[in-house]
Amino acid sequence: GNSVTQMEGPVTLSEEAFLTINCTYTATGYPSLFWYVQYPGEGLQLLLKATKADDKGSNKGFEATYRKETTSFHLEKGSVQVSDSAVYFCALLLDGNQFYFGTGTSLTVIP
Amino acid sequence: DGGITQSPKYLFRKEGQNVTLSCEQNLNHDAMYWYRQDPGQGLRLIYYSQIVNDFQKGDIAEGYSVSREKKESFPLTVTSAQKNPTAFYLCASRTGINTEAFFGQGTRLTVV
Repeated sequence: GNSVTQMEGPVTLSEEAFLTINCTYTATGYPSLFWYVQYPGEGLQLLLKATKADDKGSNKGFEATYRKETTSFHLEKGSVQVSDSAVYFCALLLDGNQFYFGTGTSLTVIP
Repeated sequence: DGGITQSPKYLFRKEGQNVTLSCEQNLNHDAMYWYRQDPGQGLRLIYYSQIVNDFQKGDIAEGYSVSREKKESFPLTVTSAQKNPTAFYLCASRTGINTEAFFGQGTRLTVV
């Protein structure tokens, strides 16, 4: 079946540290891939996306590359800030219709 | 401003009562979704609708009902048949191919 597996959290980093949150997927077909961010008590906001293999999505210093050969879409940021503290969700969209979300990874950045 | 609006933000109900959560969008999106989020868990799909007057069950539809009489609106009713309704409910909409979903701010339902 179709699914998304994310790195277990919570993740705690010091400000300016390098961030990687792993995401791998299983899909029948050619999905589009997304990273969403959720701040406490709010809905999800799109962080970045990639619609085909080797595409790189980027936004606000975050990056992720669609790797078909490893079925991965790992999220990275070179230098995190306290304001990046949130829950991050990896998701795939298949057949232009249904989303599959990972369980989320909580990130806390300490000054 | 275009967007997707959920109301209310917080909702308290007594056990055994039905309750309806509102979701309205002015983005002219065709598809709308309802998800449930529990602490430490991902999003689970309750129902989705691709066009007016049509909707499909998601993974956890039991105890919930929806309607899609207008393109802009996709209300969710949590019925008394839902055994554990206390959760954070998220509505989303999207349109086109390979496009992202836009989410509302969520409704936190507490059943006492």
